Amino acid sequence: DQQVKQNSPSLSVQEGRISILNCDYTNSMFDYFLWYKKYPAEGPTFLISISSIKDKNEDGRFTVFLNKSAKHLSLHIVPSQPGDSAVYFCAALLRGTYKYIFGTGTRLKVLA
Amino acid sequence: DAGVIQSPRHEVTEMGQEVTLRCKPISGHNSLFWYRQTMMRGLELLIYFNNNVPIDDSGMPEDRFSAKMPNASFSTLKIQPSEPRDSAVYFCASSFNELFFGPGTRLTVL
Repeated sequence: DQQVKQNSPSLSVQEGRISILNCDYTNSMFDYFLWYKKYPAEGPTFLISISSIKDKNEDGRFTVFLNKSAKHLSLHIVPSQPGDSAVYFCAALLRGTYKYIFGTGTRLKVLA
Repeated sequence: DAGVIQSPRHEVTEMGQEVTLRCKPISGHNSLFWYRQTMMRGLELLIYFNNNVPIDDSGMPEDRFSAKMPNASFSTLKIQPSEPRDSAVYFCASSFNELFFGPGTRLTVL
């Protein structure tokens, strides 16, 4: 049972445009959400996070939006750059635990 | 800090053999996680430790899998006997707040 879902396995975006990566979750006990970026042959690296008490968090070109009623979060990258091409994982932390549950990932390709 | 260190980076073995993956977490991090990455399931949590104690091993697929953390600076994930369907990339991660991942071990079981 996949509690964190990334329904788009891949996404292609033109350089300079906005990239929007989506993530849905099913467990209302998640209270902290994160996005990780992964390049080939490397481990995932932390990108940005958001607490369940917020609906938006921004860090430079990256913004994460959280819609708790819809159990949906999204990552916006603007403007997209070729170096952003990677696999992006959404993750959620189960309240009161250290248990991070990850989605299946979305491969983003930014075309020059 | 060198980050999370995993060894080996690549492992090729034959079905039925024992495989041991190793991890050194970042100094000062009190939680350690083992994940497995596959195309179908993405990053799948196998087990995690807090202060060297296993907290949740519900993701360990079968009794063939075992993990230990004898001290704060070392953990192992063992598969015995290994099977072809165990082929995947295995990541170790440690955390104080956000997770920091190691580079992974790519395991191929023939």
